[in-house]
Amino acid sequence: DAGITQSPRHKVTETGTPVTLRCHQTENHRYMYWYRQDPGHGLRLIHYSYGVKDTDKGEVSDGYSVSRSKTEDFLLTLESATSSQTSVYFCAISRTDQNTGELFFGEGSRLTVL
Amino acid sequence: TQLLEQSPQFLSIQEGENLTVYCNSSSVFSSLQWYRQEPGEGPVLLVTVVTGGEVKKLKRLTFQFGDARKDSSLHITAAQTGDTGLYLCAGADNYGQNFVFGPGTRLSVLP
Repeated sequence: DAGITQSPRHKVTETGTPVTLRCHQTENHRYMYWYRQDPGHGLRLIHYSYGVKDTDKGEVSDGYSVSRSKTEDFLLTLESATSSQTSVYFCAISRTDQNTGELFFGEGSRLTVL
Repeated sequence: TQLLEQSPQFLSIQEGENLTVYCNSSSVFSSLQWYRQEPGEGPVLLVTVVTGGEVKKLKRLTFQFGDARKDSSLHITAAQTGDTGLYLCAGADNYGQNFVFGPGTRLSVLP
């Protein structure tokens, strides 16, 4: 158990509304990630963080923003949700040993945008 | 852009059969990982391979990293229904902090 909690686990919202997903870790790891998973695309990186207030974009960052004000929390915000953002979102932390890195995932947040 | 391909995309076999799934890329990775994901859950790390040519065994699962560190295979011996799931490979960069995922192989083991 990597001590990763995502909330909410399920959310249905309407197009144009803002949505925030939260990822909380209990192990004080520096690197945290947000991925989305869609059929046929696998896991795609949205944003990641390498420390408090240090974040960077992934391959599918358009329409998303993130914040990390504390080591343990990494927030993903959809400023104005669109139907194309319907997906399952996974938070992950990286445990780095000898530069190999290994990802540990939360249980996912299923978002439906109507 | 680094890309990982996985084959086959889908695989349905009977319990007791052997199978191999593949993960291929034109890029070199510092390490490669295999994850298994069950419905409604996040991916779970199975193994990390680091050295070209490396072979690791995890009970009935055998993982191999290609000599050039561009590809990997996962072999399951005597598959069980509990092996059913989505198998994902992921390549890590030199710093072990940026990861590229393949699209996955969905395995179904029938009783």
